[in-house]
Amino acid sequence: GNSVTQMEGPVTLSEEAFLTINCTYTATGYPSLFWYVQYPGEGLQLLLKATKADDKGSNKGFEATYRKETTSFHLEKGSVQVSDSAVYFCALLRAGQKLVFGQGTRLTINP
Amino acid sequence: DTEVTQTPKHLVMGMTNKKSLKCEQHMGHRAMYWYKQKAKKPPELMFVYSYEKLSINESVPSRFSPECPNSSLLNLHLHALQPEDSALYLCASSQDLQNSYNEQFFGPGTRLTVL
Repeated sequence: GNSVTQMEGPVTLSEEAFLTINCTYTATGYPSLFWYVQYPGEGLQLLLKATKADDKGSNKGFEATYRKETTSFHLEKGSVQVSDSAVYFCALLRAGQKLVFGQGTRLTINP
Repeated sequence: DTEVTQTPKHLVMGMTNKKSLKCEQHMGHRAMYWYKQKAKKPPELMFVYSYEKLSINESVPSRFSPECPNSSLLNLHLHALQPEDSALYLCASSQDLQNSYNEQFFGPGTRLTVL
């Protein structure tokens, strides 16, 4: 079956540090890959997506590249801010099937 | 308008109460979803509606009853809930179920507490 594995958290960084959150997936066929972010007390917001191999999704300084050869979709940001503190979910979707989430990674950025 | 709205934001109910959660979107999406999210966990899918018809029921207890009155609205009727049903209930919508690139848009959620 389809599955997503994220690096375990929580992750704590200082402001302006480089961020990587690892995400690997298992799926048959050609899924789309997503990163969602959930700020405290809120719902999920789509951060970025990629729909085919070698696509790079980007938004708000965050980037992730769909790597079919390593079945990965790692999230990166060059310089994090306190406002980036949130829970980040990696997810995959195949047509007609349910969205499969990773377990989530809690990120805390200290000033 | 790329917003999914949910009401109420917070709900406290007793185990004998009947209440409803409401969700609305005006993006023309034809797929709508209910998720349940417990603390520090990812959302768990409960129901999917496609073109106003129930498409997926993830073996949810009958004390949760979904309804899709029209293409913009989704309700979740609650009756005789248990304290373990306390959670954040999220509604989401997407263009349809046909394509893998149709991302889901989530609402802010209803924080439900069952006493």
